[in-house]
Amino acid sequence: AQTVTQSQPEMSVQEAETVTLSCTYDTSESDYYLFWYKQPPSRQMILVIRQEAYKQQNATENRFSVNFQKAAKSFSLKISDSQLGDAAMYFCAYRTLNAGGTSYGKLTFGQGTILTVHP
Amino acid sequence: EAEVAQSPRYKITEKSQAVAFWCDPISGHATLYWYRQILGQGPELLVQFQDESVVDDSQLPKDRFSAERLKGVDSTLKIQPAELGDSAMYLCASSPTSGSKNNEQFFGPGTRLTVL
Repeated sequence: AQTVTQSQPEMSVQEAETVTLSCTYDTSESDYYLFWYKQPPSRQMILVIRQEAYKQQNATENRFSVNFQKAAKSFSLKISDSQLGDAAMYFCAYRTLNAGGTSYGKLTFGQGTILTVHP
Repeated sequence: EAEVAQSPRYKITEKSQAVAFWCDPISGHATLYWYRQILGQGPELLVQFQDESVVDDSQLPKDRFSAERLKGVDSTLKIQPAELGDSAMYLCASSPTSGSKNNEQFFGPGTRLTVL
């Protein structure tokens, strides 16, 4: 079974600064997806960024980018020019690519990191 | 923009009572998921549907939980009887099986359950 670990329960950053959230995972599969989701207080979870394991190039979405280290099974999220609206719980998640298994489609989440943005 | 709908948003019940949660996925999304999120933790899958069929309910406590998606559209998750440990956020998500978004899950706002 896959596991996802987020070792930082809480992080804080000053507005306009850069912050990096860490995530490690354990899997025996070679093909999979990794995601970062954002869950603002009392609001629904939304996708921030996605990385396909077979792609060597790190994904970027505007101010959000990842550092994907497949051999180290590490998947960190960098938020540049942090904004007050970035304050939320951030979850790292893993999804298998195996369409034949019953776990296809299932997301395995880490414990989450609470990000506070100071003005 | 289409969204996943869930109701109720909040539910308070006493232990041993029955509760039910409803989810309406984004139109056309064949895959539907129910997750349970205990406060301060990440969501964990309870059950996954492909159309009206269950494809994964390995983590669903079947002695008290049931889920159905009779017409392959909306879904109901039921707990009977509720226990104190069931207090959590219940999240519904849906995803398409084709197209550029087929690897993305779209989440609803959740139902916050408190069992007294």
